[in-house]
Amino acid sequence: RKEVEQDPGPFNVPEGATVAFNCTYSNSASQSFFWYRQDCRKEPKLLMSVYSSGNEDGRFTAQLNRASQYISLLIRDSKLSDSATYLCVVKGGGGNKLTFGTGTQLKVEL
Amino acid sequence: EAGVTQFPSHSVIEKGQTVTLRCDPISGHDNLYWYRRVMGKEIKFLLHFVKESKQDESGMPNNRFLAERTGGTYSTLKVQPAELEDSGVYFCASSPITGDNWPAEAFFGQGTRLTVV
Repeated sequence: RKEVEQDPGPFNVPEGATVAFNCTYSNSASQSFFWYRQDCRKEPKLLMSVYSSGNEDGRFTAQLNRASQYISLLIRDSKLSDSATYLCVVKGGGGNKLTFGTGTQLKVEL
Repeated sequence: EAGVTQFPSHSVIEKGQTVTLRCDPISGHDNLYWYRRVMGKEIKFLLHFVKESKQDESGMPNNRFLAERTGGTYSTLKVQPAELEDSGVYFCASSPITGDNWPAEAFFGQGTRLTVV
């Protein structure tokens, strides 16, 4: 079983749609949680950290459920520029390393 | 301010040859990480430096891989001898050491795409 599981997609959605991605992690000792965005043939870039109380950054909302070991990302009013791979990333439970999911691919279409 | 830079951006080598990848972290970042993405798989941790010391090298696949960070600035990752399964994208990331328990953001370089033929 992978340490961080994501649906690889692709999710093809029209502009303006709302889309949600989910992620589960296996290490209950994990301490920090993130969503990274990766464009094709580019490096991963931090989109947002995920806090226990849930947090919002513009059109993006992240939620964490520690009991279920589940993380989500909601994107409202999708833009063409949101097309990318979204990586669920977990840190802690032994060391400083980041543990990545395989990523969920999003394609926003006209 | 310059970001994390990696060199070369691409490398194609024959099986059995040696390749050295270089990473220049953001100035002042004491944490330096190496990660690798093999085609079709997730990005995986290789090792972590704090300044010049190896903090965690649990992800290094085998002794054909050698990472160094002399002087605590740039780092090199040498693969010798390279095998076909070493092909992938090697990412370097850096982050500052923070004074509190909140994790600092890790900034990634654009990666080195290694192809072993």
